[in-house]
Amino acid sequence: EVQLVESGGGLVQPGGSLRLSCAASGFTFSSYWMHWVRQAPGKGLVWVSRINSDGSSTSYADSVKGRFTISRDNAKNTLYLQMNSLRAEDTAVYYCARGHIVVERPFDPWGQGTLVTVSS
Amino acid sequence: EIVLTQSPGTLSLSPGERATLSCRASQSVSSSYLAWYQQKPGQAPRLLIYGASSRATGIPDRFSGSGSGTDFTLTISRLEPEDFAVYYCQQYGSSPFTFGGGTKVEIK
Repeated sequence: EVQLVESGGGLVQPGGSLRLSCAASGFTFSSYWMHWVRQAPGKGLVWVSRINSDGSSTSYADSVKGRFTISRDNAKNTLYLQMNSLRAEDTAVYYCARGHIVVERPFDPWGQGTLVTVSS
Repeated sequence: EIVLTQSPGTLSLSPGERATLSCRASQSVSSSYLAWYQQKPGQAPRLLIYGASSRATGIPDRFSGSGSGTDFTLTISRLEPEDFAVYYCQQYGSSPFTFGGGTKVEIK
């Protein structure tokens, strides 16, 4: 069964840092591009970042560029999101999602999400 | 950036009725890289439709997608109780991979 399990969320003060993890299983993780998507409480979905299969190429939403870093460890089948200089508006559930191998594909599946709360 | 506008914001219908959800893009979506997701409270989104009209694995045939270019539609032919949820469209052809604001399908 293809599965993605996020962890690392929690309460952090403004200006603080947090690292999220996404453990993948049931598929060849090293072949797939991967994404992070977030959802503020009661709001819609917002794409955050993506990384290619070997980690050599990344892209970010403007709202997190320069503050967040996506990375992966293919030996550990794990995706990461390092979040620095956190702001109140970063408060959201963060989902990891599987992308494509060669041709663009939709995000499928998604993990269950991990909640990040930025507050003093 | 491609902006996706979904309408209506809320759709109030009864079980057994037909639901028609719209997604309009600010510019053409390349190669119909348009997907629809369903999200229920407290759950992650689930892929329903990709490539504008292809059903994902395990999705019932009462769900169908259509459209191209800038105008796309998700149709649920006969609403089942488990279909009441929020639906999002997404373009995945060009970064940033944008989502629409969602349409909530609620029980009338």
